[in-house]
Amino acid sequence: EVQLVESGGALVPPGSSLRLSCAASGFSFDEYAMHWVRQAPGEGLEWVSGINWNGGTTGYADSVKGRFTVSRDNAKNSLYLQMNNLRSEDTAFYYCAKDISSDFWSGWFDPWGQGTLVTVSS
Amino acid sequence: EIVLTQSPDFQSVTPKATITITCRASQNIGNALHWYQQNPGQSPKLLVKFASQSISGVPSRFSGGGSGTDFTLTIRSLEPEDAAVYYCHQSGILPHTFGQGTKLEIK
Repeated sequence: EVQLVESGGALVPPGSSLRLSCAASGFSFDEYAMHWVRQAPGEGLEWVSGINWNGGTTGYADSVKGRFTVSRDNAKNSLYLQMNNLRSEDTAFYYCAKDISSDFWSGWFDPWGQGTLVTVSS
Repeated sequence: EIVLTQSPDFQSVTPKATITITCRASQNIGNALHWYQQNPGQSPKLLVKFASQSISGVPSRFSGGGSGTDFTLTIRSLEPEDAAVYYCHQSGILPHTFGQGTKLEIK
């Protein structure tokens, strides 16, 4: 069974940094692109970032470009999101999701993890 | 970026009814449109891929259609467990974008 388990969410003050992790199991992690998608409480879905199978190509939403960095460690079956200079508008549940292909620009997301909550507040 | 506009935002229906949710893209995206269901307190679940392709394990009551800029998700013979928020998602042009969601209530 494919499983994605996020961790690392926390309550942090504005301007701080946080690193999220996503542990993958049940599939050949190094063959698939991965994504981060976020959802502010009570709101809709927003794609945050994607990374191709080997980490060589990444993409970001304009809202996080220059502040967030996505990476992966295929040896550890893990996906990461380094978030710097956090703002109140970054408060959301962050989901990792598996792409259907090795590249991140053309597929759908299946499955999704259960999410981890990041709250940015003083 | 591609803007996806769903309608309606909210719909309340009775069991066994049929509903259609629409998703309109601001540019032609071919068939790169997917549908998800999000139950309360849960993460999204894939329902339909590439506009109309079915997903293993998803009831046949769920079906998608359309291409280009106009897409639909039809749910037939609604059941109480179909109460959820439904999102469309386009992967035709980066960045990936989602519709604002359609909340479905089963009376």
